Amino acid sequence: DGGITQSPKYLFRKEGQNVTLSCEQNLNHDAMYWYRQDPGQGLRLIYYSQIVNDFQKGDIAEGYSVSREKKESFPLTVTSAQKNPTAFYLCASSSRGRRVGETGELFFGEGSRLTVL
Amino acid sequence: SQQGEEDPQALSIQEGENATMNCSYKTSINNLQWYRQNSGRGLVHLILIRSNEREKHSGRLRVTLDTSKKSSSLLITASRAADTASYFCATDATDSSYKLIFGSGTRLLVRP
Repeated sequence: DGGITQSPKYLFRKEGQNVTLSCEQNLNHDAMYWYRQDPGQGLRLIYYSQIVNDFQKGDIAEGYSVSREKKESFPLTVTSAQKNPTAFYLCASSSRGRRVGETGELFFGEGSRLTVL
Repeated sequence: SQQGEEDPQALSIQEGENATMNCSYKTSINNLQWYRQNSGRGLVHLILIRSNEREKHSGRLRVTLDTSKKSSSLLITASRAADTASYFCATDATDSSYKLIFGSGTRLLVRP
């Protein structure tokens, strides 16, 4: 089945450690996104990529890094510079959304919950 | 920065009643989308309305868009307990490359 797979579902990190969250899609979408969600809050954009080997910072990129070496994959690294990383992380993909016939809807994974011990 | 703000933040209704959620945004948009999130899960797309549209229907969902007021509303008719979830609006701003900025969400509880 086509979709987006995030792993791991739950992750625990000690302070000072970097961790990498995986996001893979088989929808043949050009664009991929990482969002952060805190309890009871909306989604905030961390990074997004509209094409392979290119990505842009979102509203809260500090303390995070990404790569886009393959169309299917957009891993997110939460670095030790991120002071408050405990949150629910959501990956999404879409067609680029502004070409004729595209809906531009986002397809989301099931999320990764990161807890700092 | 949050582009959209939903109102109310929380809504509790009886099964069978209608639920209305509102979204306000700040900048000019290409389109506005509504998403649903069950607790602890990813978001699911519900409906998209483009800036040149005023109203759109999909099943029990009705979305309106007023670009002069920079606002949208989502109406769920004849609600069911299974509609219990958080609902978010998301906007594609005209002054940016394609990305969606989400609002803070409305938590809907439908009581059986």
